[in-house]
Amino acid sequence: AQSVAQPEDQVNVAEGNPLTVKCTYSVSGNPYLFWYVQYPNRGLQFLLKYITGDNLVKGSYGFEAEFNKSQTSFHLKKPSALVSDSALYFCAVRDITGGSYIPTFGRGTSLIVHP
Amino acid sequence: DADVTQTPRNRITKTGKRIMLECSQTKGHDRMYWYRQDPGLGLRLIYYSFDVKDINKGEISDGYSVSRQAQAKFSLSLESAIPNQTALYFCATSDPTEGGDGYTFGSGTRLTVV
Repeated sequence: AQSVAQPEDQVNVAEGNPLTVKCTYSVSGNPYLFWYVQYPNRGLQFLLKYITGDNLVKGSYGFEAEFNKSQTSFHLKKPSALVSDSALYFCAVRDITGGSYIPTFGRGTSLIVHP
Repeated sequence: DADVTQTPRNRITKTGKRIMLECSQTKGHDRMYWYRQDPGLGLRLIYYSFDVKDINKGEISDGYSVSRQAQAKFSLSLESAIPNQTALYFCATSDPTEGGDGYTFGSGTRLTVV
C-alpha cells in the first residue's frame, strides 16, 4: 500500500524568505516521488521528481526537494520565495517495488507568499 | 496548442442529465487518466487506461463511465449527473518510458450539477 500526507493545509511566508512545503509518504518498497503545482484556474504542472540517485532534486522555478528515506519525507523547498509562487502544491508517491502503476496524491498545500 | 486539451472548460448541467467531458492529447502517450479534484480532498482517480483496449476503474468510478476512442482521446461520461459530482475534473497522460512516469495534466473542466 502507498500513501502520502501533506500535514499543512496552508503555508504562509514573506517574499524573500525561504519556504518549505512538507510531504511524508508510506510505501512497502521503494518510492518514486513527485511535486506538482497548480496555479489558479490551471491544471497541475510537474515541478520535480525523485527516482533514484542524489537525495537533493532540483526542479522548475528554483524549487528543490530532499528525499529523506529514514524520515520518509520529501519536503519541497525554495531559498527565496516570490509572490508568484503562491499556488496549490501537491506531493505524489508511487510504490515501484510494491507493484503500483498509479501514484497517490496528497491533499495539497496552499502556499501564500506575502509581499 | 496545449499537450492535453479538455473540453468544455466550464459546464453547468441539471440533475439527471447525461454529460460527456472530452480529453485529447498530443504527447503520443498510451496512458491516460481521469481525476476529480474537490477542496481538501486532493485528486482522486476515477478511471485510467494504459492503452486503447485497456480500461480500469479507479477509486471513485461509481456514477462514471469512460471511452478510449483512440490513443489520443479519452472521454468521461456522467450517465445521470447528481449534485455531489460537482467538482473540477482533470485529464492527464503519462509515459512510463520517461523515468518515473510523470503526468501531464489538462487545464481542467469545472462541472456544476444543479
